[in-house]
Amino acid sequence: QSVLTQPPSVSAAPGQKVTISCSGSSSNIGNNYVSWYQQLPGTAPKLLIYDNNKRPSGISDRFSGSKSGTSATLGITGLQTGDEADYYCGTWDGSLNSGVFGGGTKLTVL
Amino acid sequence: QLQLQESGPGLVKPSETLSLTCTVSGGSISGNSYYWTWIRQPPGKGLEWIGSIYYSGTTYYSPSLKSRVTMSVDTSRTQFSLKLNSVTAADTAVYYCARLRWELLSYSFEYWGQGTLVTVSS
Repeated sequence: QSVLTQPPSVSAAPGQKVTISCSGSSSNIGNNYVSWYQQLPGTAPKLLIYDNNKRPSGISDRFSGSKSGTSATLGITGLQTGDEADYYCGTWDGSLNSGVFGGGTKLTVL
Repeated sequence: QLQLQESGPGLVKPSETLSLTCTVSGGSISGNSYYWTWIRQPPGKGLEWIGSIYYSGTTYYSPSLKSRVTMSVDTSRTQFSLKLNSVTAADTAVYYCARLRWELLSYSFEYWGQGTLVTVSS
């Protein structure tokens, strides 16, 4: 049982937009910035979004992030088959004194 | 470009100690706001934060693993290490080392190693 809650899977057609939610509490998302990671099959995770909505250099602007209260959302527009991956949200939990991740969401581009 | 590389045995016997080292190249291990981190991923499952260490030696461990984990850092070799004792099959996972940028409210894993599979089996 992960501290942060994500839907196990989402799907959409190529070219469409999808959103992935990440729900937490005041001890984690509510009081810290959220980051998002993309894990392509058989590879290490890669940082997609940090500080809720910032993209590292080299990350496409098709990826966006937002946060409201104790929830965060990753958005992906113009879906491509190459976007099929697992996506994880993460942050710090001040009550647990621990780094925490969501359980991951598998994106399928139909 | 910063690179991280995990190394260590791929097979550990139950009840023994898992030992891994992460070698950092292309940058300093002593930078402010950077914490050197171990994360694991059991086969087919999600990510689990194990712990983080600052170059000064300050450590933060997962509450669920704290009693079995020790992390250390060697700035002269730009390496940091993980020891997990009394392992069981539940500790079988891909182990990643990563650089964490942690300042004020900001917390993100910017760089990752490729990961190394550690299997616990007799």
